[in-house]
Amino acid sequence: AQSVTQLDSQVPVFEEAPVELRCNYSSSVSVYLFWYVQYPNQGLQLLLKYLSGSTLVKGINGFEAEFNKSQTSFHLRKPSVHISDTAEYFCAVSDLDYGGSQGNLIFGKGTKLSVKP
Amino acid sequence: DAGVIQSPRHEVTEMGQEVTLRCKPISGHDYLFWYRQTMMRGLELLIYFNNNVPIDDSGMPEDRFSAKMPNASFSTLKIQPSEPRDSAVYFCASSWGQGHRGNQPQHFGDGTRLSIL
Repeated sequence: AQSVTQLDSQVPVFEEAPVELRCNYSSSVSVYLFWYVQYPNQGLQLLLKYLSGSTLVKGINGFEAEFNKSQTSFHLRKPSVHISDTAEYFCAVSDLDYGGSQGNLIFGKGTKLSVKP
Repeated sequence: DAGVIQSPRHEVTEMGQEVTLRCKPISGHDYLFWYRQTMMRGLELLIYFNNNVPIDDSGMPEDRFSAKMPNASFSTLKIQPSEPRDSAVYFCASSWGQGHRGNQPQHFGDGTRLSIL
C-alpha cells in the first residue's frame, strides 16, 4: 500500500518570504497526487492536483507543486506567502494498488504553516 | 452547488451517551468517507463506502463505532457508548470515483467537533 511522508510538522516563515512544504510518497507504477489546505475550524479544501502531463501544477492562492517521479516527491511551493496562508497543509496520494479500490486517498500527517508579520 | 453537509457542527455530551453524526454527500458522488482528526493522531480514515456499501472499515477503532449509508444521500456515524477519548473532529468527505480510477479529489464537510465529558 501507498504511504505519504510530510517531513516537516511545522514550518514558520515571515510574510512575503518563499516557502516549500515537502511531501514524499512510496513508489508506485502510477499515482495521482493532491495537496489540501485546512484553515482553522474548517474542513480540508483542495489546493491542487497532479494527474498527468506537466510536472508543474498550479493551484489556488498562488501555490504550485512539482511532481518528481524519480525522487517520488510532490513538494508544494509559494514564492511569497501572506498572513492568510497560515493553515495546515496535507499531501495525499491516490492508492490505486490498494485492494482494487479506486476512491481511497492516503493522507500525510500534515504540515502547519505559520506566517508571521 | 451545495457541498458536503455535516450535522451537528458541535456536539457536547456526557460519557456513556449515544452520539450520532450525520452526513449528506454531494449529489452524484459514489464514494463517502468518514475521518477523525485529533492533535495526537492527525487525520485518520475510519470507514468508506462505495455505492452505499461499506468497502473498508478497518479504521473503525472498536465495536462502539458503527456507520451506515442507507441511501446515496445520507450517512451516519454512531458511537455507543461514547467515551472521553472519542473527543475529536469528525469529517465526512465524498468523491466521484466510478470510472475515474482515483483521479477525483475528495470534498470535505466542515466537520463535527465532538466533546465527550
